[in-house]
Amino acid sequence: DAGVTQSPTHLIKTRGQQVTLRCSPKSGHDTVSWYQQALGQGPQFIFQYYEEEERQRGNFPDRFSGHQFPNYSSELNVNALLLGDSALYLCASSLAATGPQYFGPGTRLTVT
Amino acid sequence: QKEVEQNSGPLSVPEGAIASLNCTYSDRVSQSFFWYRQYSGKSPELIMSIYSNGDKEDGRFTAQLNKASQYVSLLIRDSQPSDSATYLCAVNSQGAQKLVFGQGTRLTINP
Repeated sequence: DAGVTQSPTHLIKTRGQQVTLRCSPKSGHDTVSWYQQALGQGPQFIFQYYEEEERQRGNFPDRFSGHQFPNYSSELNVNALLLGDSALYLCASSLAATGPQYFGPGTRLTVT
Repeated sequence: QKEVEQNSGPLSVPEGAIASLNCTYSDRVSQSFFWYRQYSGKSPELIMSIYSNGDKEDGRFTAQLNKASQYVSLLIRDSQPSDSATYLCAVNSQGAQKLVFGQGTRLTINP
């Protein structure tokens, strides 16, 4: 049973650049949520996708956008990168919006 | 007041003892509660979920929920060095899609 996968594992970008992170949900799951985790903090909710639509959004600027594809995989895009965007980006999948969420290994983004 | 609060620790427990981790939450309509374990440099791993008042046991882990007191806890019996990790409490409110996390409690099991 394939778990949640994310790519890439690590990424180094320069301020002002744009980045795209990818996520494939656990087999049988239809909902993908994205979180940002700064060092020493709990994950912070960015947004959730279900049926290819953004269902709820956390307190993140419009520079953060996403997409869900018909096969339930998802992308997180961040434009105009800031140093403060450096963090571990986590994708979690679930069956339905309020089901238990299972996390992928994460993408470590460093902005220099 | 933070939505979900945990003591950041570190909490140090001798091997074989019971580790007790606590979490309080502010939203009274919260309905689903989760404990995640996160090893250093890794992603969170779901270890327990609880939805109704009382205790839920799974192996060495017991989750306890008291909605009236807005309190959820995790007990780890017969603690092992491999239990050393950060434990994250997460809460999902009615009708909300997002999980709200505490900052995590760092647990160290001493051999």
